[in-house]
Amino acid sequence: GESVGLHLPTLSVQEGDNSIINCAYSNSASDYFIWYKQESGKGPQFIIDIRSNMDKRQGQRVTVLLNKTVKHLSLQIAATQPGDSAVYFCAETHNSGYSTLTFGKGTMLLVSP
Amino acid sequence: NAGVTQTPKFQVLKTGQSMTLQCAQDMNHNSMYWYRQDPGMGLRLIYYSASEGTTDKGEVPNGYNVSRLNKREFSLRLESAAPSQTSVYFCASTPRELVVSAGELFFGEGSRLTVL
Repeated sequence: GESVGLHLPTLSVQEGDNSIINCAYSNSASDYFIWYKQESGKGPQFIIDIRSNMDKRQGQRVTVLLNKTVKHLSLQIAATQPGDSAVYFCAETHNSGYSTLTFGKGTMLLVSP
Repeated sequence: NAGVTQTPKFQVLKTGQSMTLQCAQDMNHNSMYWYRQDPGMGLRLIYYSASEGTTDKGEVPNGYNVSRLNKREFSLRLESAAPSQTSVYFCASTPRELVVSAGELFFGEGSRLTVL
């Protein structure tokens, strides 16, 4: 989702729940997407990626879904744990020679024990 | 294996002062990047270096200069710091030029800069 002012969208869940974090992108030419996790005081870390020729990709406890029709990306985290508490960013790029990533504004995930 | 190392981790400057943020990676990566991150914002690209000997502007280059000193090191310089440059700065690297197949960025821990 989009941030409002300085406040990040926040998702609060209980430990063990499944979490879904959403991201909308605007560039219809984007064809490669990455999710990053950023813990407090640290740099972002790669979680999972997906190319535009796929609708779904699964990793360990995480699944990324891509809906190109509505330019929407989601990250699903199964059995959320307190260690999953962080800010999650989606990033996009497009295949036009050398290209750089464009990051979304992020969503904060808070997991309660 | 340290990955991407940034120095300093914290810095306070007065308006008009200059300083250089240092970044080094020990993964033999070709491409390096400088991002800034402001509260409630995503990361915005300042400058990048696709390979040793090349640098290019990103989304927000004004007020900054960079040097790709060698394959390992990529520095970011603020010649005359302004309060608007108060931010957290992240250096990152990738094994090769960031095209669709390249995959992830490896980030440093960040440098928190305050300009008074």
